Amino acid sequence: DAKTTQPPSMDCAEGRAANLPCNHSTISGNEYVYWYRQIHSQGPQYIIHGLKNNETNEMASLIITEDRKSSTLILPHATLRDTAVYYCIVQIQGAQKLVFGQGTRLTINP
Amino acid sequence: GAVVSQHPSRVICKSGTSVKIECRSLDFQATTMFWYRQFPKQSLMLMATSNEGSKATYEQGVEKDKFLINHASLTLSTLTVTSAHPEDSSFYICSVLTGPNEKLFFGSGTQLSVL
Repeated sequence: DAKTTQPPSMDCAEGRAANLPCNHSTISGNEYVYWYRQIHSQGPQYIIHGLKNNETNEMASLIITEDRKSSTLILPHATLRDTAVYYCIVQIQGAQKLVFGQGTRLTINP
Repeated sequence: GAVVSQHPSRVICKSGTSVKIECRSLDFQATTMFWYRQFPKQSLMLMATSNEGSKATYEQGVEKDKFLINHASLTLSTLTVTSAHPEDSSFYICSVLTGPNEKLFFGSGTQLSVL
């Protein structure tokens, strides 16, 4: 079972920051939070991951709350090409496999 | 990062035939690959874990005799859908794990349509 909860859909204006929330209240101490996105009819694309510290890369920032029960993916300047389904995933310890939930369908509007 | 090549990108076949999908890790030796299936407007569902040189591990409810997985080398895993039926029509995606706490790299997917 997926261990995360995300809103099914969100809209964001082009050029604005897109903030995608994710709840993972049952996360274990050594489980990571991963974010992937899937553009229509393509394989998913890795975005970012973290354990407990906030992370930033060229694509996005990941903010993890101190209690690690939730996180937010931030796309700082959304473009139309960021329209996709975004998946927040908690890694299952030891199994080395990722279980995908339903994700958030993000639509960037011009 | 690892580049994963999946082939074919799209296949249409008649009911009762078998279809082979290839997943290649182009710049990483992958001892483990994963196969997912995705129906329209649904999330990815893990089908099986492919282990180089050993038998694949199938998720509950996935028929191992119908979905044959072969991982004969560190760069190639194949999924064969045997005796395909229309209900097998789906988007099949492979992925490569680059380390125990690392990220997955995905292929571009194969859209299978069974007539």
